[in-house]
Amino acid sequence: GAVVSQHPSRVICKSGTSVKIECRSLDFQATTMFWYRQFPKQSLMLMATSNEGSKATYEQGVEKDKFLINHASLTLSTLTVTSAHPEDSSFYICSAQVDGDYGYTFGSGTRLTVV
Amino acid sequence: GENVEQHPSTLSVQEGDSAVIKCTYSDSASNYFPWYKQELGKGPQLIIDIRSNVGEKKDQRIAVTLNKTAKHFSLHITETQPEDSAVYFCAVLTGGGNKLTFGTGTQLKVEL
Repeated sequence: GAVVSQHPSRVICKSGTSVKIECRSLDFQATTMFWYRQFPKQSLMLMATSNEGSKATYEQGVEKDKFLINHASLTLSTLTVTSAHPEDSSFYICSAQVDGDYGYTFGSGTRLTVV
Repeated sequence: GENVEQHPSTLSVQEGDSAVIKCTYSDSASNYFPWYKQELGKGPQLIIDIRSNVGEKKDQRIAVTLNKTAKHFSLHITETQPEDSAVYFCAVLTGGGNKLTFGTGTQLKVEL
């Protein structure tokens, strides 16, 4: 089946620094990638949707200048948390959709801790 | 926008018993209803899904039923095993869009 590889699985960074999270679709081309944030014991909240070669569409309340999304190829999307603060600590998960398919494949998630 | 409610928030069953989790949604145009299992520290994994033109789907011990009129769908797990313990999320895809809206999750615990 379709596999999405997400890295790193865990990252600790200092407040004020930036962190990049990568998601790669290993055996299919993902025309659309979704980025979610999940706080402890809560559901997945969609942050943004990105289509290959286009600017990402952000959900209401998500700062696009803080959460930079790049989807430069059909197999790679990145999320960069800029100037991270402790309140950005969360579990970030990507999901890929194959064009025209109902299938949504999720990455394994990245635990970000900002100290 | 779509509103998805999921119940119960926690569910504890004895090994071998059945577990049922229910979700309701608000948008009658919704047409795809997946269920995900999430283990601690991992991403969600699809366990079963159903489309709006089908009323029931089964895969071994797992089944999903959909009532479009009432706008609810349920996950049924039979003969539960300890490895079924996890958080389960329902999700809804609204017609014409490609964004999933997730339920609030159910912590299932299967006790020996």
